[in-house]
Amino acid sequence: GAVVSQHPSRVICKSGTSVKIECRSLDFQATTMFWYRQFPKQSLMLMATSNEGSKATYEQGVEKDKFLINHASLTLSTLTVTSAHPEDSSFYICSALLAASSYEQYFGPGTRLTVT
Amino acid sequence: GIQVEQSPPDLILQEGANSTLRCNFSDSVNNLQWFHQNPWGQLINLFYIPSGTKQNGRLSATTVATERYSLLYISSSQTTDSGVYFCAVAPSDYKLSFGAGTTVTVRA
Repeated sequence: GAVVSQHPSRVICKSGTSVKIECRSLDFQATTMFWYRQFPKQSLMLMATSNEGSKATYEQGVEKDKFLINHASLTLSTLTVTSAHPEDSSFYICSALLAASSYEQYFGPGTRLTVT
Repeated sequence: GIQVEQSPPDLILQEGANSTLRCNFSDSVNNLQWFHQNPWGQLINLFYIPSGTKQNGRLSATTVATERYSLLYISSSQTTDSGVYFCAVAPSDYKLSFGAGTTVTVRA
């Protein structure tokens, strides 16, 4: 149980275009999901918290107009990187809270974004 | 925000050896998780352990919440144990703060 998927696993896009990354909880409902970013050889940095049916909350320094988050259902959150630039190239990972009564998070396999 | 320090940063082991990874944190926490990130980037949940001791096969973990540290033990290490081990904590909310990780290399 507690499986989280991400799609796509890898994407290459051109500067100025937008790309959407999906995060799904496959065998449980997740009212809260999280988006992280990881640069090579570094740790994970929380970008935003995604709550089903409400606006996402962003961490300090994260541009909400560049990283659009939508959590339209209890099993799906999406991250759209708008007007992508090479510096947006990174590994993006989502996670989901297993249950409202538990703090345990389960992580997706990640999406490697390359902006050319 | 809460500070999370992991040690050592790098660990090289011979297959079959035992090891201990440490995670220190600067404030009380409601959540502490240990993860193994495999070479493809997938974070694998090892333990959800805000306090106490747990064991799962060759791995075990202990968190002493009052002293603000957690230990991850790897026994009889195998080459498949190689990768980066992360400790992550959350104080009063759900937001996880990650340590810098310990890179473990197990040699055959």
